[in-house]
Amino acid sequence: EAQVTQNPRYLITVTGKKLTVTCSQNMNHEYMSWYRQDPGLGLRQIYYSMNVEVTDKGDVPEGYKVSRKEKRNFPLILESPSPNQTSLYFCASSLSLFYEQYFGPGTRLTVT
Amino acid sequence: AQRVTQPEKLLSVFKGAPVELKCNYSYSGSPELFWYVQYSRQRLQLLLRHISRESIKGFTADLNKGETSFHLKKPFAQEEDSAMYYCALATSYDKVIFGPGTSLSVIP
Repeated sequence: EAQVTQNPRYLITVTGKKLTVTCSQNMNHEYMSWYRQDPGLGLRQIYYSMNVEVTDKGDVPEGYKVSRKEKRNFPLILESPSPNQTSLYFCASSLSLFYEQYFGPGTRLTVT
Repeated sequence: AQRVTQPEKLLSVFKGAPVELKCNYSYSGSPELFWYVQYSRQRLQLLLRHISRESIKGFTADLNKGETSFHLKKPFAQEEDSAMYYCALATSYDKVIFGPGTSLSVIP
């Protein structure tokens, strides 16, 4: 089944404790992206990747890192999480920027 | 700066009534616009792309470059249309910009 998976689905952590949210797709898509969803703000792009080893900042990249060492995986790294990073995070992939994006199920992160 | 606005946070309509969800964009290039929908407890999914000009689940959207709008319309709302709707813009700067979303509630 073609899909985007994210893990974990729920995470509660403390300020400053490094964490990684994994994202994987099995559709051989080149474009992958991370978003955060906050009430009243919609989805805001954190980072995106056009292809392996090519990543770039979205609109809200501060406090986040990503890597794209393999085409299928695009992990989101929070080196030192802070409470303002409490949010719902979505990973998405698509053939290219101008095609339909397929979304993961979301990861709800709480930083205390 | 590129921007997508959806002026209505909440929209309530009666079943069978027409519905229009507004989307306006700010972008100097040639826009690629999408509507995504998120039903309760489900993932975001594509509803339609302007370039394909398809009608999905009875919804249509027309790009109006003069008014920089891409409003979503359906002539007769159904209860199953209740969901969160997002307008999105793909730019030549490789970014995708989403609007803040409109929550549609269809009243039986």
